[in-house]
Amino acid sequence: EDQVTQSPEALRLQEGESSSLNCSYTVSGLRGLFWYRQDPGKGPEFLFTLYSAGEEKEKERLKATLTKKESFLHITAPKPEDSATYLCAVEPDYKLSFGAGTTVTVRA
Amino acid sequence: DTGVSQDPRHKITKRGQNVTFRCDPISEHNRLYWYRQTLGQGPEFLTYFQNEAQLEKSRLLSDRFSAERPKGSFSTLEIQRTEQGDSAMYLCASSLVGSRAFFGQGTRLTVV
Repeated sequence: EDQVTQSPEALRLQEGESSSLNCSYTVSGLRGLFWYRQDPGKGPEFLFTLYSAGEEKEKERLKATLTKKESFLHITAPKPEDSATYLCAVEPDYKLSFGAGTTVTVRA
Repeated sequence: DTGVSQDPRHKITKRGQNVTFRCDPISEHNRLYWYRQTLGQGPEFLTYFQNEAQLEKSRLLSDRFSAERPKGSFSTLEIQRTEQGDSAMYLCASSLVGSRAFFGQGTRLTVV
């Protein structure tokens, strides 16, 4: 059965304090690994798709990387507006299988 | 706004009542998905449509749940005889075949 585990569950950062979120996965056949951002009371907002080991993608202060068993989301010099829950998901077929998310709080 | 639209955004209902949610996908998208998300968890797949055909239903979707997508456009998700355990955020997403999913803002259901 496909499984996605995210760690840590919660992360409290000072503004400017860089850190990384982990997403480890087991899946029968990976068509893509997705990162989404979710603000309280709202739907997930797409950030990145990674397809193969070694691939990296960047957007502003966020950088996602992928290996054969895990993905990392690096947050560089975060700002308070980066506070959100970050969800990782795998797509073995046509639907997404999500982890529980990492809730990031960035203090000014 | 041409994103995925869900209605209502919030619904409070008494246990045992029926509720229906609506999702309007991005117009050219032929796939439509329903997910359920409880507090502290990621979204869980419920069902999906390709055009008007419902192609898969999760084991999470009990007999009290039914989803439709008439004419391959908007979709409805109905829950009959609601229970407190049905309280959750119900998310709709749409996509083209082979492309990423776009999510709506969700419908928050509270069963009292």
